[in-house]
Amino acid sequence: GAGVSQSPSNKVTEKGKDVELRCDPISGHTALYWYRQSLGQGLEFLIYFQGNSAPDKSGLPSDRFSAERTGGSVSTLTIQRTQQEDSAVYLCASSLAADSNQPQHFGDGTRLSIL
Amino acid sequence: AQSVAQPEDQVNVAEGNPLTVKCTYSVSGNPYLFWYVQYPNRGLQFLLKYITGDNLVKGSYGFEAEFNKSQTSFHLKKPSALVSDSALYFCAVREVGGFKTIFGAGTRLFVKA
Repeated sequence: GAGVSQSPSNKVTEKGKDVELRCDPISGHTALYWYRQSLGQGLEFLIYFQGNSAPDKSGLPSDRFSAERTGGSVSTLTIQRTQQEDSAVYLCASSLAADSNQPQHFGDGTRLSIL
Repeated sequence: AQSVAQPEDQVNVAEGNPLTVKCTYSVSGNPYLFWYVQYPNRGLQFLLKYITGDNLVKGSYGFEAEFNKSQTSFHLKKPSALVSDSALYFCAVREVGGFKTIFGAGTRLFVKA
């Protein structure tokens, strides 16, 4: 597709379950970012990838959060043992390169609700 | 350390009037500056960016922004607001040569008919 694709668009799960969120970036974009947004608020940086490596994982809230990227393309964000405070919209973005002056292109997000 | 401040949580304007959404930033070196817009249940959409050169940058949908180095500001402007401009606006900064983009907290714009 032409844009960043995220799936699922909505996810409802019970507290304690694991969830996996997927991001398919724009073809040719080497940089990929994950953000968390709570109820129309600002963006909280989680992690970014340059290729398959993650130079900056400083934003991951706890060790329950992990992310990987394979083949320099698709990325998955995994949340283990979900808690109610994990409820938010998780946004993925990609850009040509992390240190370029090009903007990030965002997907429409995954809305995660923890019951 | 980089930071971005959007001092107004909300801006209200009447349709047809000019609008300004404020942004100030802090970086150690030279900045790349961006504005994004977010509509309900959508991701952020890029509006415009400042890299270097002219201080007045023109972008999508009639928006423009003025870079002011001495005031470390990058305010978003539009000469005549439309109801359809109502959305959440984010300012962002990345230091030249850096890898991390910092986003402001966002400003909600309401344009009243």
